[in-house]
Amino acid sequence: DAGVIQSPRHEVTEMGQEVTLRCKPISGHNSLFWYRQTMMRGLELLIYFNNNVPIDDSGMPEDRFSAKMPNASFSTLKIQPSEPRDSAVYFCASSSRQPGGQETQYFGPGTRLLVL
Amino acid sequence: RKEVEQDPGPFNVPEGATVAFNCTYSNSASQSFFWYRQDCRKEPKLLMSVYSSGNEDGRFTAQLNRASQYISLLIRDSKLSDSATYLCVVNGKSTFGDGTTLTVKP
Repeated sequence: DAGVIQSPRHEVTEMGQEVTLRCKPISGHNSLFWYRQTMMRGLELLIYFNNNVPIDDSGMPEDRFSAKMPNASFSTLKIQPSEPRDSAVYFCASSSRQPGGQETQYFGPGTRLLVL
Repeated sequence: RKEVEQDPGPFNVPEGATVAFNCTYSNSASQSFFWYRQDCRKEPKLLMSVYSSGNEDGRFTAQLNRASQYISLLIRDSKLSDSATYLCVVNGKSTFGDGTTLTVKP
């Protein structure tokens, strides 16, 4: 299994530009999560989808952030316009419910975003 | 108060030492508990789930104390390769602790 795939792995952009992060979850997983990690704030959940439907987007910082999951194998996180304070590592994770009821998340390698 | 709290450390221990981390949670209805490990500049990876009766995986032991609302991770005979940040997760979806940093020294 290829695991969760994210692209790009690194992104450097200028303030005001649009940034699109991509994620391919593990095949068969029905939940997908977007996280942001910074030294100051730790790992923060931005949004999660279940069966391609957004369930909780309360962690999305503001209207500049949007996420979509058009099908079970692809999701995007878009920032428009980007700001320097958006600089962080963005992780995508996917999971599926185990027979015992627990869901284990598997993380992608992350996208390191630097907004100048 | 944060939903999940961990002592950030750092914990600096010699090889072979036993070290334990705690993680407290505020939601008494929490059902799922995990420990993740994150190496520098890498993604978090599942270390082990935490079951009500406690569970062990080699040198690692995880325990749950519902009455006091904390989970713990015990590492015995620590190795240099155990150096990492250990994150606790409550309810499996979104509530990560900020992590405890462990450095094992020769």
